[in-house]
Amino acid sequence: GAGVSQSPSNKVTEKGKDVELRCDPISGHTALYWYRQSLGQGLEFLIYFQGNSAPDKSGLPSDRFSAERTGGSVSTLTIQRTQQEDSAVYLCASRRGIQETQYFGPGTRLLVL
Amino acid sequence: AQSVAQPEDQVNVAEGNPLTVKCTYSVSGNPYLFWYVQYPNRGLQFLLKYITGDNLVKGSYGFEAEFNKSQTSFHLKKPSALVSDSALYFCAVRVLRERNSGYALNFGKGTSLLVTP
Repeated sequence: GAGVSQSPSNKVTEKGKDVELRCDPISGHTALYWYRQSLGQGLEFLIYFQGNSAPDKSGLPSDRFSAERTGGSVSTLTIQRTQQEDSAVYLCASRRGIQETQYFGPGTRLLVL
Repeated sequence: AQSVAQPEDQVNVAEGNPLTVKCTYSVSGNPYLFWYVQYPNRGLQFLLKYITGDNLVKGSYGFEAEFNKSQTSFHLKKPSALVSDSALYFCAVRVLRERNSGYALNFGKGTSLLVTP
C-alpha cells in the first residue's frame, strides 16, 4: 500500500486479556518501529526492527509486551495480561534507509477496561 | 541524553497571522531534527527535517523551520496560518540505537496549535 497500515484501528479489551496489534509497513522499508502515545507519557519508543537483525527491545515497559516481525515485513505487537495503564495509542512507523524519514501509521487506540 | 523540549502546551493564533511553534534541543554532536503533525484521531505526518545544510528548512503544507545552533532551537513557522493547521505538533530528535546501528526518535511532549477564524 501507499502508507503504513495498522489494525485494528480501535480495540477495547478487559483487564487481564491478551491483545495483538498488527502493523503493515511500507513496501521495501527495512526498519520498523513501535511507539506508544499516552496522556501521561507522551510518545515513547517501544521496539525497533532492522532487517534480519535481532530487535532492539529496550523500550518495552514490561515483559508482558513482545513483538515479532515475520518475513521482514508485517509486525505484531502482543500485550499479555493487559492492565488499565496499557490504554494508549500504539503507533507503528517504518523507514527505508539509514538516513530516511520514519513514516507513521494511523495507530491502534487500545482501551483496557 | 538526546532530547527536545517544547515549552508551550498550546499556541493560539488568528487565521492569516504568522505562527511559530517552539522547539529546543539538547544533543551531543550534530542534531537530526524533525517536525511531525498529528490531526485528531490520526497518526503522525512528517512535515520536515533538518540533517545538515541550510538552516532554513522548507516542508509540507507551507511550513518551514529554522535551525539555530547558537540558541539550540528548531522552531516551526508558517507565514500565514490556516484554520486547518489546527493540530498537535511534535518536535523530535534522532537518537542512535546501539543495537542494529539504527535510530529511533525522541519526541517532545507536543504543542497544540489552535487557529481561530
